[in-house]
Amino acid sequence: RKEVEQDPGPFNVPEGATVAFNCTYSNSASQSFFWYRQDCRKEPKLLMSVYSSGNEDGRFTAQLNRASQYISLLIRDSKLSDSATYLCVVNAYTGGFKTIFGAGTRLFVKA
Amino acid sequence: DAGVIQSPRHEVTEMGQEVTLRCKPISGHDYLFWYRQTMMRGLELLIYFNNNVPIDDSGMPEDRFSAKMPNASFSTLKIQPSEPRDSAVYFCASNMGGGTQYFGPGTRLTVL
Repeated sequence: RKEVEQDPGPFNVPEGATVAFNCTYSNSASQSFFWYRQDCRKEPKLLMSVYSSGNEDGRFTAQLNRASQYISLLIRDSKLSDSATYLCVVNAYTGGFKTIFGAGTRLFVKA
Repeated sequence: DAGVIQSPRHEVTEMGQEVTLRCKPISGHDYLFWYRQTMMRGLELLIYFNNNVPIDDSGMPEDRFSAKMPNASFSTLKIQPSEPRDSAVYFCASNMGGGTQYFGPGTRLTVL
């Protein structure tokens, strides 16, 4: 089992739709969580951190469920520019610092 | 502010040749990471440094790969000899104390 698992997609949605991605992690010692966005042939960039209380940034909402060991990303009112790959990232400190990236979920938003 | 700088941006070489990738992290960051990304395997952590010291190199695929960080502002990833299966995009990233990682633009390596 992979340490961080995501549905690879692709998710094909129309503009204006709401879309949700989930990510599960296996290491219960994981301490910090992030969503990154990666555009085609570009580097990954931080989209948002994920806090235990959940957090919202405009059309984007991230939530963490420690008991079930998953994080989620909700995108409301999808825009064409949201088309990208979304990477789930988990940091754990288990005798050493460890960062694991999920394989990513591809999103295509169509007009 | 300048972000993470990587060079070259593209590298095409022949099997058996030595390849050296370079990275300049963001000033003040104490962690530096080298990643490799392919369609098949996604983003893989190869090695990371803290205060110029290699901490975990368990992701380095084999002895053909080596990485150094002689000072806080420079790191290299070397492949010798290179093989076609090393073809990938290599990213360098840096951060401060385990926080958000900032990635460079990557080096697209093709080994013929």
